Amino acid sequence: QVQLVQSGAEVKKPGASVKVSCRASGYTFTTYALHWVRQAPGQRLEWMGWINAGTGVTKYSQKFQGRVAITRDTSANTTYMELSSLTSEDAAIYYCARVGPYSSGWYPYWGQGTLVTVSS
Amino acid sequence: EIVMTQSPATLSVSPGERATFSCRASQSVSSNLAWYQHKPGQAPRLLIYGASTRATGVSARFSGSGSGTEFTLTISSLQSEDFAVYFCQQYDKWPPYSFGQGTKLEIK
Repeated sequence: QVQLVQSGAEVKKPGASVKVSCRASGYTFTTYALHWVRQAPGQRLEWMGWINAGTGVTKYSQKFQGRVAITRDTSANTTYMELSSLTSEDAAIYYCARVGPYSSGWYPYWGQGTLVTVSS
Repeated sequence: EIVMTQSPATLSVSPGERATFSCRASQSVSSNLAWYQHKPGQAPRLLIYGASTRATGVSARFSGSGSGTEFTLTISSLQSEDFAVYFCQQYDKWPPYSFGQGTKLEIK
């Protein structure tokens, strides 16, 4: 069965960077895009970007452009999301999610979420 | 960016009754609309995609309808495990994909 397992909670200082990983199993990693979405306390889910796991091509939300980098390691079936110049507004749960078939835009599979705390 | 607006913010319904959720898009998203259930401490669960297609393993008690800018999720005969937050997502025009703010379904 498809599983997405994310790295553990992080505590970072303002101005630092955080890198969250998402290891996929149960399917051919390079066949599907992986997306990153976050949810700050009391806020709606917010789409950050995606990576074509086969080609490595990425697309980011304009809101995070220049501050986020999504990469992948095909040998480890893992995607990474790195967010830099953290502020308190980046405190959130970060999720990776895999799309459905035919490059659909909906998410049948999600990681368990990674809590990122930003505090001095 | 397409803004998704859900109503109401909170829905209080008794077990066994029907719950109806609304999601409105700021511009047409055709039928490219998904619904999710989200419980605290868990990952979101896909319920509906294509506005009306149930995801694999989702109970027939869940149904979706609508197209364009107005969408509805209905849960018939509520069960205890249904009490959660429900949110919609458009995937028609991106970037970015966008989500509604969610409706909390609570026990009346």
